Amino acid sequence: GAGVSQSPSNKVTEKGKDVELRCDPISGHTALYWYRQSLGQGLEFLIYFQGNSAPDKSGLPSDRFSAERTGGSVSTLTIQRTQQEDSAVYLCASSLRVGQNTGELFFGEGSRLTVL
Amino acid sequence: AQKVTQAQTEISVVEKEDVTLDCVYETRDTTYYLFWYKQPPSGELVFLIRRNSFDEQNEISGRYSWNFQKSTSSFNFTITASQVVDSAVYFCALSDLIQGAQKLVFGQGTRLTINP
Repeated sequence: GAGVSQSPSNKVTEKGKDVELRCDPISGHTALYWYRQSLGQGLEFLIYFQGNSAPDKSGLPSDRFSAERTGGSVSTLTIQRTQQEDSAVYLCASSLRVGQNTGELFFGEGSRLTVL
Repeated sequence: AQKVTQAQTEISVVEKEDVTLDCVYETRDTTYYLFWYKQPPSGELVFLIRRNSFDEQNEISGRYSWNFQKSTSSFNFTITASQVVDSAVYFCALSDLIQGAQKLVFGQGTRLTINP
């Protein structure tokens, strides 16, 4: 499809296991963002990638969280040794470089992570 | 630090009523952008509007209108003649510009329920 694609849509894991969440942005979008939405909460910024620049990791909550973006396209968010408080919906978004568009971030439908 | 406050956690109105969603923001930047996003039950955030800090002109799009007032740091959203399909969680967001990308800071969201 033409939108941001995320997988898996749902993931249930046991505490202590590692998980990987994937995001496939819209083709041609240079910026990619990860946000986290906990139950009843707003969206919490995690990390973003812009072209070949160093990613802004300032929102990652702990060193158990990491993300990479290969070839300027697909991104993987990895959570190591998951904890119950990691349970949330992880949203990915992409956008064109500012100046080329309205500034709109296009969001995927999210990956719902449940840590038992 | 940037902050967005949506004081209304939940609003419930009867169809055809007008409803205003409040958004107050804090920033030290002189140039910034304000956004509204809609999150229907499907979970995917839908972009509604972006407004830059130099443009205080109110905007109307169909039944939607936005009132940006720099003097009170507010960017309120009004839905006129509400419909059941307007039921969703609405997020206000603020961004700065870093390296051509936009790092959004979201409010906690307002859950709007339109009852038939």
